[in-house]
Amino acid sequence: QKEVEQNSGPLSVPEGAIASLNCTYSDRGSQSFFWYRQYSGKSPELIMFIYSNGDKEDGRFTAQLNKASQYVSLLIRDSQPSDSATYLCAVRPNDYKLSFGAGTTVTVRA
Amino acid sequence: NAGVTQTPKFQVLKTGQSMTLQCAQDMNHNSMYWYRQDPGMGLRLIYYSASEGTTDKGEVPNGYNVSRLNKREFSLRLESAAPSQTSVYFCASRHREYEQYFGPGTRLTVT
Repeated sequence: QKEVEQNSGPLSVPEGAIASLNCTYSDRGSQSFFWYRQYSGKSPELIMFIYSNGDKEDGRFTAQLNKASQYVSLLIRDSQPSDSATYLCAVRPNDYKLSFGAGTTVTVRA
Repeated sequence: NAGVTQTPKFQVLKTGQSMTLQCAQDMNHNSMYWYRQDPGMGLRLIYYSASEGTTDKGEVPNGYNVSRLNKREFSLRLESAAPSQTSVYFCASRHREYEQYFGPGTRLTVT
């Protein structure tokens, strides 16, 4: 079983809609959870992190964490063409390492 | 600040050749990491260095060696390149309270 699993997509949404991305993880002791965005040919950049159960909002992005279900999600509201990218879910099972999912590719249709 | 820099940006090797990928960070971060990224596989950790003077294996260390030269620099060496090592390599760094910041990547092709 992979440590972090994501739907690979592609996820296609119309401009202005909500994009919903999901991620599950296997290490129940994980404490920190992250979403990175990666544009084609570029390096990953951190867009959200969440440590506690519940929702965390930052602009158009909302991260949701449910440790009991070992589930993390990212919502992108009012999706824009500039949100078209691959979104990587990452989980920290120990202090030094991050485990990454394979990523979900999002395409926002104008 | 330049952040995390990597050299070279692109490289083509023949099977059996060796090379070193260089990484440097100017953010005074303690921890540094080397990842490879292949289509459909996400980022896989090759080696990491939690602090200056220490290195540890990650998920896919076979065929690679690393050197943490000082706090700023962390190099990745391929002693005898194989086609299976064709990939995009990312270096990243992190300070205790912050998260990983990635360099621009090195695109390596082994023929």
